[in-house]
Amino acid sequence: DTAVSQTPKYLVTQMGNDKSIKCEQNLGHDTMYWYKQDSKKFLKIMFSYNNKELIINETVPNRFSPKSPDKAHLNLHINSLELGDSAVYFCASSRDRGGNYEQYFGPGTRLTVT
Amino acid sequence: DQQVKQNSPSLSVQEGRISILNCDYTNSMFDYFLWYKKYPAEGPTFLISISSIKDKNEDGRFTVFLNKSAKHLSLHIVPSQPGDSAVYFCAAFNTGGFKTIFGAGTRLFVKA
Repeated sequence: DTAVSQTPKYLVTQMGNDKSIKCEQNLGHDTMYWYKQDSKKFLKIMFSYNNKELIINETVPNRFSPKSPDKAHLNLHINSLELGDSAVYFCASSRDRGGNYEQYFGPGTRLTVT
Repeated sequence: DQQVKQNSPSLSVQEGRISILNCDYTNSMFDYFLWYKKYPAEGPTFLISISSIKDKNEDGRFTVFLNKSAKHLSLHIVPSQPGDSAVYFCAAFNTGGFKTIFGAGTRLFVKA
């Protein structure tokens, strides 16, 4: 009955590879997000989709591409992985794009690039 | 450019006492503030929030205070329990930007 699930939980890969992280929410929410938690522990927004429409696209290398096939899913594809991409990536969802709606986070995907 | 700052990386408190976690922000356009709690190997979970038109919001043992003139908010936990030991993130939202900005977090240790 996990509200927001992410796969995989751990991902170890080599530089230059392409990888994807999948996210699904069963809460019926309209808005989904991808965050990156770097070594300094900041949670930084990368992308947000509202009803499959991209509404936030932060200054992220274009090697990162989100895809939302439907409003319950938001996947993150990363091309040509670099060492600096190593981080924990969190998916989240909220009822709507408004800030008064709390976000529900997935357990995170720890990506290690060697 | 840290718009939301949590200047204390960690805080240690005795069980039963009050825990006070602080947060400062720089953007006066923020109109909603939230606190999230995070245990190791889990995602953050929502704890409590406050609108910028209020100065206090209470939910059980948790109270958030907002001082808009000082651009400061705090989370009070009374009484603190060992299960409260976690990382607490302060977050702020600007309705016009649809973006939530998180602080770096404060790790709370509650000693039994």
